[in-house]
Amino acid sequence: GAVVSQHPSWVICKSGTSVKIECRSLDFQATTMFWYRQFPKQSLMLMATSNEGSKATYEQGVEKDKFLINHASLTLSTLTVTSAHPEDSSFYICSPRADTQYFGPGTRLTVL
Amino acid sequence: GENVEQHPSTLSVQEGDSAVIKCTYSDSASNYFPWYKQELGKRPQLIIDIRSNVGEKKDQRIAVTLNKTAKHFSLHITETQPEDSAVYFCAATNYNQGGKLIFGQGTELSVKP
Repeated sequence: GAVVSQHPSWVICKSGTSVKIECRSLDFQATTMFWYRQFPKQSLMLMATSNEGSKATYEQGVEKDKFLINHASLTLSTLTVTSAHPEDSSFYICSPRADTQYFGPGTRLTVL
Repeated sequence: GENVEQHPSTLSVQEGDSAVIKCTYSDSASNYFPWYKQELGKRPQLIIDIRSNVGEKKDQRIAVTLNKTAKHFSLHITETQPEDSAVYFCAATNYNQGGKLIFGQGTELSVKP
């Protein structure tokens, strides 16, 4: 299956700062990357879909100016949480679109 | 859009017994149905998947059945072991329309030795 890496695996930041999460597809070219968010003891919720070379599409209720997504190459998609607040604390996971859907290892964000 | 309902939310079984988790979906155009196992603090791991042109798929102790008419699919785990304890998620998607996964609410499975 697809090999996906994420960096960092965990991050703690102060309220008001921005955090960038990188998602790399290591063994194939991902034209589309899905970004999911998972709050404690809840299911995964799709936040946005990033497409290489074009603007991301966001799910209803997800602020595009707060969660900036860049998909500059076929192997790298980034999610930046701008002006993070405690309610943004969550597990963020990426998944490249493929015939079989695998997930990156996830990034646990804690905003103090 | 698609909506996926998953039941039960918690399931406790004795080691060696079978466990069944059920999901229903709303969009008849969905054509790919994966199941994931998630251990605490880790990513969801794909354990089995099924496509709409197949009614059943089995992989050792794990099997999935799909009823397209009723729009429901189920995960069956036989001869459960304590290491099967985890949260299980079903999902559905239509690859012809983007491929984004819609997840069920999750089932916390506990296998008691």
